[in-house]
Amino acid sequence: GAVVSQHPSWVICKSGTSVKIECRSLDFQATTMFWYRQFPKQSLMLMATSNEGSKATYEQGVEKDKFLINHASLTLSTLTVTSAHPEDSSFYICSAIDSGNYGYTFGSGTRLTVV
Amino acid sequence: DAKTTQPTSMDCAEGRAANLPCNHSTISGNEYVYWYRQIHSQGPQYIIHGLKNNETNEMASLIITEDRKSSTLILPHATLRDTAVYYCIVRVDWKWGGATNKLIFGTGTLLAVQP
Repeated sequence: GAVVSQHPSWVICKSGTSVKIECRSLDFQATTMFWYRQFPKQSLMLMATSNEGSKATYEQGVEKDKFLINHASLTLSTLTVTSAHPEDSSFYICSAIDSGNYGYTFGSGTRLTVV
Repeated sequence: DAKTTQPTSMDCAEGRAANLPCNHSTISGNEYVYWYRQIHSQGPQYIIHGLKNNETNEMASLIITEDRKSSTLILPHATLRDTAVYYCIVRVDWKWGGATNKLIFGTGTLLAVQP
């Protein structure tokens, strides 16, 4: 079945630094990927839709200059949290559409802790 | 996309069937019912989806009422590893979603399987 690999699985960074999270589709090509954020005991909140070769589409209230998304190839999308602050600490999850599967396959998530 | 209503939490005894309800009274004719689950600190996992007929796979069964206003996900023999948050999502099939292919999660049902 379709596999989406997300890296790193967890990261701790200092306040003010930037962190990059990678999302790869391992056995299929994904023209569209999605980035979610999840705070403790809450549901997944969609942050943005990442489109290969074009700009990402951000949901209302998500700062595009803070959460930089790059989808440079059909198998890789990256999310960079710039100038991270403790309130950015969260569980970040990516998803990709696999045309040969039931649509949406999710990565295992990245736990970001900003200290 | 139509909105769904699910109970916040449910308990189930190990080995018994777990029946998770979902109300989607505003569902449109071309909208499918999708079920995903999220085990703690992992990415969501696809379970099953259907349009109007009942569906079964190796993980679960999906029963959709004739008027399609509600559905039930059935885990026939729940195990401790089935403890997770279960999300019922209603939307058009991703193949026809076009620019609106994003998947929006509600609050889901926390299923706790008890030994």
